[in-house]
Amino acid sequence: AQKITQTQPGMFVQEKEAVTLDCTYDTSDPSYGLFWYKQPSSGEMIFLIYQGSYDQQNATEGRYSLNFQKARKSANLVISASQLGDSAMYFCAMRDDLNTGTASKLTFGTGTRLQVTL
Amino acid sequence: NAGVTQTPKFRVLKTGQSMTLLCAQDMNHEYMYWYRQDPGMGLRLIHYSVGEGTTAKGEVPDGYNVSRLKKQNFLLGLESAAPSQTSVYFCASSYSRTLLGGEAFFGQGTRLTVV
Repeated sequence: AQKITQTQPGMFVQEKEAVTLDCTYDTSDPSYGLFWYKQPSSGEMIFLIYQGSYDQQNATEGRYSLNFQKARKSANLVISASQLGDSAMYFCAMRDDLNTGTASKLTFGTGTRLQVTL
Repeated sequence: NAGVTQTPKFRVLKTGQSMTLLCAQDMNHEYMYWYRQDPGMGLRLIHYSVGEGTTAKGEVPDGYNVSRLKKQNFLLGLESAAPSQTSVYFCASSYSRTLLGGEAFFGQGTRLTVV
């Protein structure tokens, strides 16, 4: 069964500093995708970044990068040059890619609340 | 661009009442999901569908039923609402293969209170 673990309920970071949000996962499937989402206080879910299990390079999207360590089953999100608008809840998620009907769940972690301070 | 639309946005139910939440997507996505979000619990999968006419149970399916008669719509039903079903409900949709990108697009959420 798939499992996503986010061990940091809350994090603080100063503006303009970098921050790493941890995510570990567990799956027996060889092909899967990893995702990070942001949920600001307004409640919408915003897709940030995607990493495929066979991707050789770590994914990057602007100030977001994903530190993918396959052997350790970790997919940490790195936010560089934090901004006040980055204050939000962040969720890590995983989905296997077997496309075999019941196998293709999208599973979320419990989230990390990031607070950016001046 | 509509994306994923959930109806209604807010609802208050009395214990024992029934209701249906509607999710509609216009992106021709194969996969659709229903989640509930409770404080400290993240998003928990209720039911999901990998195509028209097919549904499957997620982590917390008890007390809910779903149907996907049309590819673009995914309905979540509560037959007899209980206070434990007070939550924010999210619908999401995605393509079938993560290799095509595969990120899920979310609706704006439905805040349901059962009294």
